[in-house]
Amino acid sequence: GAGVSQSPRYKVAKRGQDVALRCDPISGHVSLFWYQQALGQGPEFLTYFQNEAQLDKSGLPSDRFFAERPEGSVSTLKIQRTQQEDSAVYLCASSLGIAGSTDTQYFGPGTRLTVL
Amino acid sequence: GENVEQHPSTLSVQEGDSAVIKCTYSDSASNYFPWYKQELGKRPQLIIDIRSNVGEKKDQRIAVTLNKTAKHFSLHITETQPEDSAVYFCAANPATGANSKLTFGKGITLSVRP
Repeated sequence: GAGVSQSPRYKVAKRGQDVALRCDPISGHVSLFWYQQALGQGPEFLTYFQNEAQLDKSGLPSDRFFAERPEGSVSTLKIQRTQQEDSAVYLCASSLGIAGSTDTQYFGPGTRLTVL
Repeated sequence: GENVEQHPSTLSVQEGDSAVIKCTYSDSASNYFPWYKQELGKRPQLIIDIRSNVGEKKDQRIAVTLNKTAKHFSLHITETQPEDSAVYFCAANPATGANSKLTFGKGITLSVRP
């Protein structure tokens, strides 16, 4: 079946521009996560949704970062006034969301953001 | 918060040999420990995971062992093949309960020499 998809796969932005990154989770997955992966590092948690509710945004590095999942399916991560330090791969992951246990997270291919 | 460390940072083995990658974690409440494989430019893919109610899990050439007392877990790959070459990440959930975020280690680059 279809896995997690993300678009665009690559994005080049000039410093100060706003960008929007899209994530399509696996159909029926309740939970959705955003991670940031810097070059040569492991993914770092940004934010988590259960259906349309954003339950944890403790990893968002600044108020320039905003995420939404208005209908509990597709999610968008928006970065305002991009800075060079925002350059990274942004990974989306989804999981079933079965209560009582930590589910397997399935990752998308990521969006590589380069800020010039 | 949870801290996950991996060592070594790089590992090179001869094809057919075994590889062992170790991870330590800091939060004794963690109860889920996945391993992901990431090839260059590709998405992380789950290869095996273990929960805290078992000490070992095996899937063909891959096994994971967990030592809760020492707070470390290890990935074992036997009969390595060139296609096993990739970056391997361990992770732990820093809180129990449903759908916890994952804290990842920095990754280990495994090279299998043909």
